[in-house]
Amino acid sequence: DVKVTQSSRYLVKRTGEKVFLECVQDMDHENMFWYRQDPGLGLRLIYFSYDVKMKEKGDIPEGYSVSREKKERFSLILESASTNQTSMYLCASSSTDSSGGNEQFFGPGTRLTVL
Amino acid sequence: LAKTTQPISMDSYEGQEVNITCSHNNIATNDYITWYQQFPSQGPRFIIQGYKTKVTNEVASLFIPADRKSSTLSLPRVSLSDTAVYYCLVGDIYTNAGKSTFGDGTTLTVKP
Repeated sequence: DVKVTQSSRYLVKRTGEKVFLECVQDMDHENMFWYRQDPGLGLRLIYFSYDVKMKEKGDIPEGYSVSREKKERFSLILESASTNQTSMYLCASSSTDSSGGNEQFFGPGTRLTVL
Repeated sequence: LAKTTQPISMDSYEGQEVNITCSHNNIATNDYITWYQQFPSQGPRFIIQGYKTKVTNEVASLFIPADRKSSTLSLPRVSLSDTAVYYCLVGDIYTNAGKSTFGDGTTLTVKP
């Protein structure tokens, strides 16, 4: 089974802190994604990556950056956390193979609270 | 990316068949339709994906008419454990890492 793990289930940080959210997948997937989910707003894509060291902005990249130094790991960075970044953060990975389909496998999520 | 429209919520009873329709009027030629299920405090889970006509797997069926401007997820004989949020996504699965936009989803509540 594909496993996507996230470094923390719950995290509390203070305004202005630098925050690292880590995601690791064990299925050699090319693609990795970071979303945030807020009540009434569904899942919104922050950044995604289709290869090591490659990154693309999603729909709401402002205030975030990402790093993908190894294929299995995709990090989300909040350079200076703000209260409006309090949210559930979900990581996902997928593989686009020749047979088609790009099912995304999601991690359990990290609930981040910024005080 | 094609925008999708789904009902905000639906109620059903155990044992009934549930059909959730998604509208995607500006679907592009290369776009596929994908459905995910999400339980509280968990990440979404893939249910089914299709391009045209009908796709069936062990948990659901997906019906796509010829014009592809809508699609219907069919869940046969639902149980209480099918209570969840269901998301319809439309996008090209072969470009841009297959990224798609999650809409607001449909909250399905199954009652005993």
